[in-house]
Amino acid sequence: SYELTQPPSVSVSPGQTASISCSGDNLESKYASWYQQKPGQSPVLVIYEDDKRPSGIPERFSGSNSGNTATLTISGTQAMDEADYYCLAWDSSIAEVFGGGTKLTVL
Amino acid sequence: EVQLVQSGAEVKKPGESLKISCKGSGYIFTTSWIGWVRQMPGKGLEWMGIIYPGDSATRYSPSFQGQVTISADKSTNTAYLQWSSLKASDTAIYYCARRTDGSYSFWGQGTMVTVSS
Repeated sequence: SYELTQPPSVSVSPGQTASISCSGDNLESKYASWYQQKPGQSPVLVIYEDDKRPSGIPERFSGSNSGNTATLTISGTQAMDEADYYCLAWDSSIAEVFGGGTKLTVL
Repeated sequence: EVQLVQSGAEVKKPGESLKISCKGSGYIFTTSWIGWVRQMPGKGLEWMGIIYPGDSATRYSPSFQGQVTISADKSTNTAYLQWSSLKASDTAIYYCARRTDGSYSFWGQGTMVTVSS
């Protein structure tokens, strides 16, 4: 079965850039999306179709997908960005699968 | 305003059956896929399966195929997730979410299911 691998945790200082990776076999051939989940809340979509930002999501959130790795980048990270982040990939052959999640800590 | 309102928390015993719901409003329910996602206590998100309410086409994750049934009633704009015989390991929060542009753009509030003897 298809698997997506994320680092369990990433730490960043306020105002710096955070990068969260998501690795899977030939991931660039599939669409990746990213979800933010804060404690006790439902997930929120922050990036879809690799690099598109939904309305209402701050410009500091961006995404890319190349080779075997999709990346979520948060520029000028703020304390409010501290959360768990999950990638999701889909295509017709695998249906859909989530990565294991990354806990972002803003120190 | 798009809304997905899920049914309330459930406490069940092992072996019992259960059907939880997800009611959509604010959009044309039959034209967007609805997915179900499990989150076990303290763990990550797991994709379970998806349904297209327009024709009830479904797809399941291999991990959940045969373990749950996903259905929809387009007359009431409601999607369902059901179990015929619950296990303690089914204890989790279950989310429904609307799928657009290959991603889950809107999520329900979640339904907590507790299975305990």
